[in-house]
Amino acid sequence: KAGVTQTPRYLIKTRGQQVTLSCSPISGHRSVSWYQQTPGQGLQFLFEYFSETQRNKGNFPGRFSGRQFSNSRSEMNVSTLELGDSALYLCASSLDLGEHTGELFFGEGSRLTVL
Amino acid sequence: QKEVEQNSGPLSVPEGAIASLNCTYSDRVSQSFFWYRQYSGKSPELIMSIYSNGDKEDGRFTAQLNKASQYVSLLIRDSQPSDSATYLCAVPSSGSARQLTFGSGTQLTVLP
Repeated sequence: KAGVTQTPRYLIKTRGQQVTLSCSPISGHRSVSWYQQTPGQGLQFLFEYFSETQRNKGNFPGRFSGRQFSNSRSEMNVSTLELGDSALYLCASSLDLGEHTGELFFGEGSRLTVL
Repeated sequence: QKEVEQNSGPLSVPEGAIASLNCTYSDRVSQSFFWYRQYSGKSPELIMSIYSNGDKEDGRFTAQLNKASQYVSLLIRDSQPSDSATYLCAVPSSGSARQLTFGSGTQLTVLP
């Protein structure tokens, strides 16, 4: 069974640009979450999607947005990039069923560097 | 107070010893608790989930939950160098079981 696939794995952008990251969840998983990981703040929740609807959103500015498609694939977008947006962006999928809620399966991440 | 706190480490144990990792949380209504392992340069990997008070064993790993004291721990028996990683405790955020709050992690090194 294929795992969570994230693209691109690495990217470099300059301040003010925008970036779109893509995530394909494990087959059969309908919940997709995004997390930002930095050395200083650790893992922080960005948002969670289920059946193309955003169910939860973390405490990030509106420059961070996302969406989910009918095939459960998800994208997140960061506009007007700032230096502080440099981070590892992790996508995680979940079966989201009963006691399995919260059991996340992470992709390898997209490492964004903003210059 | 942070929602999820872990002993900051780093923690070093000799090979074959028991490694003990601790985590406290602030939300009394939390019902599920998770331990993730993250190797350097890799993404987190779920290793244990626990929902009821008491112990849950899976191979060399034992998770212990005490809801009254609001702590959850992870014991790794017969520690191996391959267990060297950062261990992250995660608890659902208030109001949403689908939004996890992670601790800052404990870096474990198992010395051969």
